[in-house]
Amino acid sequence: DVKVTQSSRYLVKRTGEKVFLECVQDMDHENMFWYRQDPGLGLRLIYFSYDVKMKEKGDIPEGYSVSREKKERFSLILESASTNQTSMYLCASSLPTAGPLAQYFGPGTRLTVL
Amino acid sequence: AQSVTQLGSHVSVSEGALVLLRCNYSSSVPPYLFWYVQYPNQGLQLLLKYTTGATLVKGINGFEAEFKKSETSFHLTKPSAHMSDAAEYFCAVTKAGGTSYGKLTFGQGTILTVHP
Repeated sequence: DVKVTQSSRYLVKRTGEKVFLECVQDMDHENMFWYRQDPGLGLRLIYFSYDVKMKEKGDIPEGYSVSREKKERFSLILESASTNQTSMYLCASSLPTAGPLAQYFGPGTRLTVL
Repeated sequence: AQSVTQLGSHVSVSEGALVLLRCNYSSSVPPYLFWYVQYPNQGLQLLLKYTTGATLVKGINGFEAEFKKSETSFHLTKPSAHMSDAAEYFCAVTKAGGTSYGKLTFGQGTILTVHP
């Protein structure tokens, strides 16, 4: 069965802290994604990765960076957390092209920045 | 660029009533379209998807959606609502090819409430 796991369900950090959100998938998927979810805004793509050490900016990359050293793991980094980064963060993975396409999502990490 | 608009941030129905959640998209190329559901405190789960072929797509839990190119719509329906359908629903679009392959653009979400 497909599984995407995220390191924490709930996280509370202080302004200015460096924050790491971890995502691991066990499906050997090439593509991995980080979204943030805010009420009334739906999901917005922060960064995605097509392969190990490959990354591309999504729609709202400012204030974030990512790391993908291994195929199964994709980390989201908040270099200096701010209160406007309080949100639900969702990780997803998918196979690359050819045929129907769908992303598998993790359960999410609800981050609060005080 | 692609975009998705979900009409109605909140929809309320009675148990047993028809569920209709509206989604309109904008895409310069033929789209792939998706509906996802998010139950409280959970991640997103794929309900159904349209890629090519039959425009009426059936998904899990009795949901279906119809791709109407002329109306640029992909509305989600279920003939009879159940209490367990209460959740937030997201419509999403992607396009094949190019560097953006695999990127999903999501709508704002619609919260479905089901009353006894």
